[in-house]
Amino acid sequence: DAGVIQSPRHEVTEMGQEVTLRCKPISGHDYLFWYRQTMMRGLELLIYFNNNVPIDDSGMPEDRFSAKMPNASFSTLKIQPSEPRDSAVYFCASSLGLAADTQYFGPGTRLTVL
Amino acid sequence: AQSVAQPEDQVNVAEGNPLTVKCTYSVSGNPYLFWYVQYPNRGLQFLLKYITGDNLVKGSYGFEAEFNKSQTSFHLKKPSALVSDSALYFCAVRDHGSGYALNFGKGTSLLVTP
Repeated sequence: DAGVIQSPRHEVTEMGQEVTLRCKPISGHDYLFWYRQTMMRGLELLIYFNNNVPIDDSGMPEDRFSAKMPNASFSTLKIQPSEPRDSAVYFCASSLGLAADTQYFGPGTRLTVL
Repeated sequence: AQSVAQPEDQVNVAEGNPLTVKCTYSVSGNPYLFWYVQYPNRGLQFLLKYITGDNLVKGSYGFEAEFNKSQTSFHLKKPSALVSDSALYFCAVRDHGSGYALNFGKGTSLLVTP
């Protein structure tokens, strides 16, 4: 299996622009997670999906952030409009359907908002 | 509520010496505990996890961790460190029955010197 795939790997944009991050989970995994990593706050869970349905979005920082999972093999995290404080590494992870199951992480998208 | 503490920001050890990276946790019920490693500009890689049963868990690359319920700890260990073990290590916890979100520690940077 190719593992979790994220694109783009790097994104540089200007403040106010829309940013879309993409994730393809491991085939057969029922859960998909979006995390953000910064030096100040470490790893934060933003939102997670089960069978394409958002389960917990309490970590989404504000209305500028939105996430969708239109099918089992694709998810997007959108920031509109982007701000410099959104600069971070965004990770997608996926897991099977049990709480004890391991989350497998993608390589991340490094976002820089100028 | 669930939380994880990694009390050391950095651990330095000489190659060939044993290493320990500390982790303590707080959950209301029984925990699922995980260790991940992150190399520069890479995603998180799963090392090992404790679900139930034997308190000593063996994982990838010669790492192991010991679950200690009375001390609420899950320290990561390796008998003989390699320079290539230098990376950022994250401990994570999930409470049984509290959903699928993982709560990560801040991370510990391990530096193994030749």
